[in-house]
Amino acid sequence: GENVEQHPSTLSVQEGDSAVIKCTYSDSASNYFPWYKQELGKRPQLIIDIRSNVGEKKDQRIAVTLNKTAKHFSLHITETQPEDSAVYFCAASRTTGNQFYFGTGTSLTVIP
Amino acid sequence: EAGVAQSPRYKIIEKRQSVAFWCNPISGHATLYWYQQILGQGPKLLIQFQNNGVVDDSQLPKDRFSAERLKGVDSTLKIQPAKLEDSAVYLCASSWTGQVTGELFFGEGSRLTVL
Repeated sequence: GENVEQHPSTLSVQEGDSAVIKCTYSDSASNYFPWYKQELGKRPQLIIDIRSNVGEKKDQRIAVTLNKTAKHFSLHITETQPEDSAVYFCAASRTTGNQFYFGTGTSLTVIP
Repeated sequence: EAGVAQSPRYKIIEKRQSVAFWCNPISGHATLYWYQQILGQGPKLLIQFQNNGVVDDSQLPKDRFSAERLKGVDSTLKIQPAKLEDSAVYLCASSWTGQVTGELFFGEGSRLTVL
């Protein structure tokens, strides 16, 4: 099955700085890569996703890049704000079976 | 649109007791998932249903865990007997089927503490 690795496990940045979280996957058939944000005690919520037919996607301060050859994808948050503090999970999935495999999570702390 | 509903939100039991969690997915979502999230870890898939059929239960500890989705809507996850290592948040999620892979919508989770 798919194996998704995520780094770093914890990340602290100053408010206004950028944060980058990286994930690698093992199954070359994976073609959908969502990122979820989970605030303490709350449900994971989708913040951005990317499909294998594009290399980059941006939504305001959040962007995701995908390198299919190297089998890795990254989340970029610019101009970080305290409300960005949360645990972020990457995931990989393929259309066949609709199964999702999650990384181990990155705890992001934005210091005011 | 109503979200994924789960109950109970919290449950404390002693080891070797049994517990059941309930999930009601978003209306029209054919695919339903149960994930186990241990503190500090990512969600781990326990079982995936499409309608009322099982798609993947390869990581479900079948000697103690069982799940069903009668009529292809609500689902119940049962643990019997519980072990200390079952302490976790049990997340139910649902998604559309019949299109390219779509967003997973999660419930608030059921937090289980086994003493």
